Amino acid sequence: EEQLVESGGSLVQPGGSLGLSCTASGFTFSVYWMHWVRQAPGKGLEWVANIKQDGGEKDYADSVKGRFTISRDNAKKSLYLQMNSLRAEDTALYYCARGGPLRSMDVWGQGTTVTVSS
Amino acid sequence: ETVLTQSPGTLSLSPGERASLSCRASQSVSSSFLAWYQHKPGQAPRLLIYGASSRATGIPDRFSGSGSETDFTLTISRLEPEDFAVYYCQQYGSSPLSFGQGTKLEIK
Repeated sequence: EEQLVESGGSLVQPGGSLGLSCTASGFTFSVYWMHWVRQAPGKGLEWVANIKQDGGEKDYADSVKGRFTISRDNAKKSLYLQMNSLRAEDTALYYCARGGPLRSMDVWGQGTTVTVSS
Repeated sequence: ETVLTQSPGTLSLSPGERASLSCRASQSVSSSFLAWYQHKPGQAPRLLIYGASSRATGIPDRFSGSGSETDFTLTISRLEPEDFAVYYCQQYGSSPLSFGQGTKLEIK
């Protein structure tokens, strides 16, 4: 079964840092683009960042550019999101997702919760 | 930046009825890099449609997608009880990738 499992979410103070991880199983991780998507409480889906198969290309939403860094380790079948200078508005459920056909996202994890509060 | 506007915000229908959900883009979405997702509370989003009109693996044929350039539609031909959820469109014809704000499909 193709599966993604996120971890690392927690409560963090404004201005703090946090790292998220996503571990893949059941498919060849290294051949897919990967994404982070988030959903703030009561809000819709918001794309955060993505990364090419070899890590050579990365793209970010304007709302996180300069603060968040996406990376991957294909040997460990893992995707990461390093989040710095966190703000209250970064509070959300963070999903990792696999790049699917025609730039869709076809496999999603269950998400990990990040709360930014003092 | 391509802004996706979904309408209506909420759609109230009964099982067995037909649902039509709209997604309008602020600029043309190239090569139909337009997808639709279903999202239920406590679950991961589920890919329904990619390339504007191709059903993802395992998606029932009551779900169909149509449209091009700036106007796209998700149609559910006969609603089943499990279809009541929030639906999102998403584009990646141009960076940054963006989602619509969602349409909530609720039981009437």
